[in-house]
Amino acid sequence: DAGITQSPRHKVTETGTPVTLRCHQTENHRYMYWYRQDPGHGLRLIHYSYGVKDTDKGEVSDGYSVSRSKTEDFLLTLESATSSQTSVYFCATGWGQGYEKLFFGSGTQLSVL
Amino acid sequence: GENVEQHPSTLSVQEGDSAVIKCTYSDSASNYFPWYKQELGKRPQLIIDIRSNVGEKKDQRIAVTLNKTAKHFSLHITETQPEDSAVYFCAATTGNQFYFGTGTSLTVIP
Repeated sequence: DAGITQSPRHKVTETGTPVTLRCHQTENHRYMYWYRQDPGHGLRLIHYSYGVKDTDKGEVSDGYSVSRSKTEDFLLTLESATSSQTSVYFCATGWGQGYEKLFFGSGTQLSVL
Repeated sequence: GENVEQHPSTLSVQEGDSAVIKCTYSDSASNYFPWYKQELGKRPQLIIDIRSNVGEKKDQRIAVTLNKTAKHFSLHITETQPEDSAVYFCAATTGNQFYFGTGTSLTVIP
């Protein structure tokens, strides 16, 4: 799929271990986002970035950190994974007039046991 | 922050009938309202959007209406087809933080 690649696509890990999810884009979009998707909650914003080394928190940022050292890469780190962080994680880039149109990656299914 | 409520959570229609999904929002400063379609196991994809200075927008069989006074917006799908079966999410934003509804699972029965 053109534009955004998420890795890994699936991961199983144990409680207390650190986990890093990677998002790579080839569109040179300025804005990048990390969302989690859970049944009954829709999509909730974890963190977003509006440029290299410029990031901000979303509504569910506790327990997560991000980094963006290059325009094309946006990393999401779970410092010490918990079972409540079992979810599907989507990366997205923002494009359009106000960068408000979201283009999503294929998602990462993370299971924390 | 913004609160977006979406109804119904599930919707079944006969092929060829219309489907309507409704969302309300709380922040009067929200100015952009997109709709995303997510097929099973796939990524969400933008299907239509509307800005606060527009009351209605159409794109073939889908349309979105916005009532700023009442703070609600709706997705209308006419002449539904089996390939319309998916989960639909509404969202609202004032800037770069999007607030999504909890989704509507639409099933189109052939």
